[in-house]
Amino acid sequence: NAGVMQNPRHLVRRRGQEARLRCSPMKGHSHVYWYRQLPEEGLKFMVYLQKENIIDESGMPKERFSAEFPKEGPSILRIQQVVRGDSAAYFCASSPGEGANVLTFGAGSRLTVL
Amino acid sequence: SQQGEEDPQALSIQEGENATMNCSYKTSINNLQWYRQNSGRGLVHLILIRSNEREKHSGRLRVTLDTSKKSSSLLITASRAADTASYFCATDAHSNSGYALNFGKGTSLLVTP
Repeated sequence: NAGVMQNPRHLVRRRGQEARLRCSPMKGHSHVYWYRQLPEEGLKFMVYLQKENIIDESGMPKERFSAEFPKEGPSILRIQQVVRGDSAAYFCASSPGEGANVLTFGAGSRLTVL
Repeated sequence: SQQGEEDPQALSIQEGENATMNCSYKTSINNLQWYRQNSGRGLVHLILIRSNEREKHSGRLRVTLDTSKKSSSLLITASRAADTASYFCATDAHSNSGYALNFGKGTSLLVTP
């Protein structure tokens, strides 16, 4: 059981480039959550997805950020035209369903924008 | 929006001592969870307490929940150096048609030998 797999673990981008972060949920889990963590801060909720559906994107910035969880393949968090303020650790978590959600987290993807 | 707020922000104790961390939240919840994060790693679930429960134990962990005060505490007994980590409380908040967990900023615990 490989758990939640995120890649890349580290990503360096220059301002204006695009960043794509991938997340494969734990086997048997159909719910995916993306969180952002700034240094010395807690996790801020970004988006909650099920297969082919965005359930809650209330934490996503209105521009440049998008997320998907296609029928086949991993969930993707995409950040267009990155700025220095996007530098953070992005964590993906998954759960088997609704209700008392115990989340299983990946190790995170650390984005550095130069 | 962040729901839980942990207190203290940082805690330093010696091995063998007990560590107590508190969490306050703002709106009604279905359950409250505690997670642990080692430096540079993802979060690991520790314990879940439902809104109709007042206390729960798991090994050296003891969690209490007071819904009238909207607060919870996490007690780690007989701490070890390996307990050094950040600890976060998380509350569920109903959204559209599902539930997303909201995390506080965490308590950074340092246990020295």
